[in-house]
Amino acid sequence: AQSVTQLDSHVSVSEGTPVLLRCNYSSSYSPSLFWYVQHPNKGLQLLLKYTSAATLVKGINGFEAEFKKSETSFHLTKPSAHMSDAAEYFCVVSPDAGNNRKLIWGLGTSLAVNP
Amino acid sequence: DAGITQSPRYKITETGRQVTLMCHQTWSHSYMFWYRQDLGHGLRLIYYSAAADITDKGEVPDGYVVSRSKTENFPLTLESATRSQTSVYFCATSLTYEQYFGPGTRLTVT
Repeated sequence: AQSVTQLDSHVSVSEGTPVLLRCNYSSSYSPSLFWYVQHPNKGLQLLLKYTSAATLVKGINGFEAEFKKSETSFHLTKPSAHMSDAAEYFCVVSPDAGNNRKLIWGLGTSLAVNP
Repeated sequence: DAGITQSPRYKITETGRQVTLMCHQTWSHSYMFWYRQDLGHGLRLIYYSAAADITDKGEVPDGYVVSRSKTENFPLTLESATRSQTSVYFCATSLTYEQYFGPGTRLTVT
């Protein structure tokens, strides 16, 4: 069975320092992986996606994620946090084709950015 | 281009009443989804639709009804609202695998 585990429910960083949000997945197939961001009282926005091309994926607002099959990980990083990065981040896996496009969602990591 | 819209954005209703949440897209994406978001549970899939007139249950379908007579609309109906259905509801569409979300409807059942 496919699953997603976000290893930290809360992460707090200082402005200007690096961000690391950790995500492990379990999938029997070759998955597509996504990170979504949700700012307070807002909808969900696609941050970046991995779909079996380059293992290092660049997204919006300076975020990156690296797909590591051997570690079954898809951690999200950013070199320098900005106050506007404070939000909830969701790691998401889409199993192989034929699953009716259903996504499997992590429970989210709340990122706080301190001045 | 409006993309995906949801209405109403906020709704307060009483226990036992029927409520319909609307979702409309302008992209002609074949897949549409309804989620609810609750603290501690993340996003949970209620129903989804692969095309007009094709719908299927998700993780938490009890108490909800959907229909999809047109590609662009995917209404969600709470037949007899209960307090446990107080939540934020998100509609999403998909062309390939990534999903695109509406702004959400915050529903309170009193």
